[in-house]
Amino acid sequence: DAGVIQSPRHEVTEMGQEVTLRCKPISGHDYLFWYRQTMMRGLELLIYFNNNVPIDDSGMPEDRFSAKMPNASFSTLKIQPSEPRDSAVYFCASTIGANTEAFFGQGTRLTVV
Amino acid sequence: AQTVTQSQPEMSVQEAETVTLSCTYDTSESDYYLFWYKQPPSRQMILVIRQEAYKQQNATENRFSVNFQKAAKSFSLKISDSQLGDAAMYFCAYRSATSSRNMLTFGGGTRLMVKP
Repeated sequence: DAGVIQSPRHEVTEMGQEVTLRCKPISGHDYLFWYRQTMMRGLELLIYFNNNVPIDDSGMPEDRFSAKMPNASFSTLKIQPSEPRDSAVYFCASTIGANTEAFFGQGTRLTVV
Repeated sequence: AQTVTQSQPEMSVQEAETVTLSCTYDTSESDYYLFWYKQPPSRQMILVIRQEAYKQQNATENRFSVNFQKAAKSFSLKISDSQLGDAAMYFCAYRSATSSRNMLTFGGGTRLMVKP
């Protein structure tokens, strides 16, 4: 199994631009999580899905952030418009069932200049 | 809401020695799971060990073991015979067994340095 696949690995964009981060969970996993990691705030849960349905999006910072999961094998996290304070590493993780450990992708390092 | 606290921002250990990383959590639930993840400079999050709250026996994985104290809500990680490759950030995490609150909540992390 290839594991959780995120793209791109690195993204540099200008303030005000739209950014889309992509995630392919492990096949058969029914939970998908998006986390943001910064030095100041550590690992924050942004949103998570179960069977493609968003369950908790209370961690999404503001309306500039949106996430979708159109099918079991793909999810996106979009920031529009992006701001310098969005610079962080964004992780996607997936699990099978509600009582197992999460498998993480390699993360996307986003830099907004 | 559940919270996870790692009170040691940084720790150091001599190669081949033993080190213990601390983690405490706050929850009103009785059924849950606890994890330790390792994040080396490559930034990949790697599962080190897991513990089910209903199990009294402490989990062990080779050189890694935990001391799970349910009443005290404590979950420390012991690394024996430390190796240079153990140098990384270590995160403690909590996951509820209740289906409505299934997110993984992380502590702030502990940076472990291993001295040769």
